[in-house]
Amino acid sequence: QSVLTQPPSVSGAPGQRVTISCTGTSSNIGAGYDVHWYQQLPGTAPKVLIYGNSNRPSGVPDRFSGSKSATSASLAITGLQAEDEAHYYCQSYDNSLNWIFGGGTRLTVL
Amino acid sequence: EVQLVESGGGLVQSGGSLRLSCAASGFTFSTSAMHWVRQAPGKGLEWVSSVSGSGSSTYYADSVKGRFTISRDNSKYTLYLQMNSLRVEDTAVYYCAKRPTVTGNWFDPWGQGTLVTVSS
Repeated sequence: QSVLTQPPSVSGAPGQRVTISCTGTSSNIGAGYDVHWYQQLPGTAPKVLIYGNSNRPSGVPDRFSGSKSATSASLAITGLQAEDEAHYYCQSYDNSLNWIFGGGTRLTVL
Repeated sequence: EVQLVESGGGLVQSGGSLRLSCAASGFTFSTSAMHWVRQAPGKGLEWVSSVSGSGSSTYYADSVKGRFTISRDNSKYTLYLQMNSLRVEDTAVYYCAKRPTVTGNWFDPWGQGTLVTVSS
């Protein structure tokens, strides 16, 4: 069981908007630590999608956005495309457990 | 361009040992903290261990504490993970990753990973 809670799966049609939630506790997200998001395409290593709650590395489309509040965070994807089909993981830091991940969310583009 | 290339994975029996390596290039290795993260087959990501740029500070997940040792050779631009007393549940792809900034608590970039399989 992961320290950060994500929905196992989400889905949406091309062009739609989907959001993925990431819920933590007062020991991690609620303690003020940043949340980061990774995209993992099938058979590849994870790649950072959002860092520091809402920052996009160069090369990441602005269709991807992140937000954080209290003890949770969200990743939003607008204008859904077939190539977005992947697993998405949130990650933060915990006072006791050090670096922590969510269990991952599988995004299916219908 | 930053590059991380893992090696050393393979098949080992339960109770055995293995040493993973991660060859780094494209940045000043000695100034960057480094991490190991693993992913069991069909499962999510799990942080394993981290080491400071100098190698003087190390951190471990409870699941590997006392069995795994992280180290680095800054002259060789190489990160290591010595894994002893391996268990079936240690079976996973092991990724090395770089701490991107002095204070950043995320992982970027990641290597391609090396598969460790522990048989009973």
